[in-house]
Amino acid sequence: NAGVTQTPKFRVLKTGQSMTLLCAQDMNHEYMYWYRQDPGMGLRLIHYSVGEGTTAKGEVPDGYNVSRLKKQNFLLGLESAAPSQTSVYFCASSPITGNGYTFGSGTRLTVV
Amino acid sequence: GNSVTQMEGPVTLSEEAFLTINCTYTATGYPSLFWYVQYPGEGLQLLLKATKADDKGSNKGFEATYRKETTSFHLEKGSVQVSDSAVYFCALISLTGGGNKLTFGTGTQLKVEL
Repeated sequence: NAGVTQTPKFRVLKTGQSMTLLCAQDMNHEYMYWYRQDPGMGLRLIHYSVGEGTTAKGEVPDGYNVSRLKKQNFLLGLESAAPSQTSVYFCASSPITGNGYTFGSGTRLTVV
Repeated sequence: GNSVTQMEGPVTLSEEAFLTINCTYTATGYPSLFWYVQYPGEGLQLLLKATKADDKGSNKGFEATYRKETTSFHLEKGSVQVSDSAVYFCALISLTGGGNKLTFGTGTQLKVEL
């Protein structure tokens, strides 16, 4: 009963470095999402996907790219990390009905 | 666009006190409403939900009623425990625009003391 698994859990990057966050779900959900959580701002949607091979921009997409090559995986990439991208990143998935999201446990990213 | 407004925290209560966390929303169409809870160091867990007007969601002693006339979904619990200390997020899904995207409030931190 893994649900949504995020890797890594913690990461420190230097400004300008790149990295990829991996999200995997085993519930056969169609939809997947990446959010960032910052103090006093709640969760903000970065990108989302409504199915394999599709992606769309959310509220705060700048500086990030995503890919959904397989239904169960949703990757979030930072091509050139900036201190403003220091945050906690959450992946989530949901069925088409949208009646409930399942969240991963988060990735804490620090850019120095 | 869609938006959710929650009361600011932190809210500090004594054990067995009554809890209310206010939540109001703006949305197109007829959204579904949710409360999520985040315990320290963990991800978000669904606490309760309501999908239409006058529905009451409930779970673990928490309740919230979908009030369309006041566009509100206030979270209540009659007697809080120390283990309820967490951050609570009100959220909505509006099916317009595709993707069933959740819109969150900023969260309310609850601290329950002995």
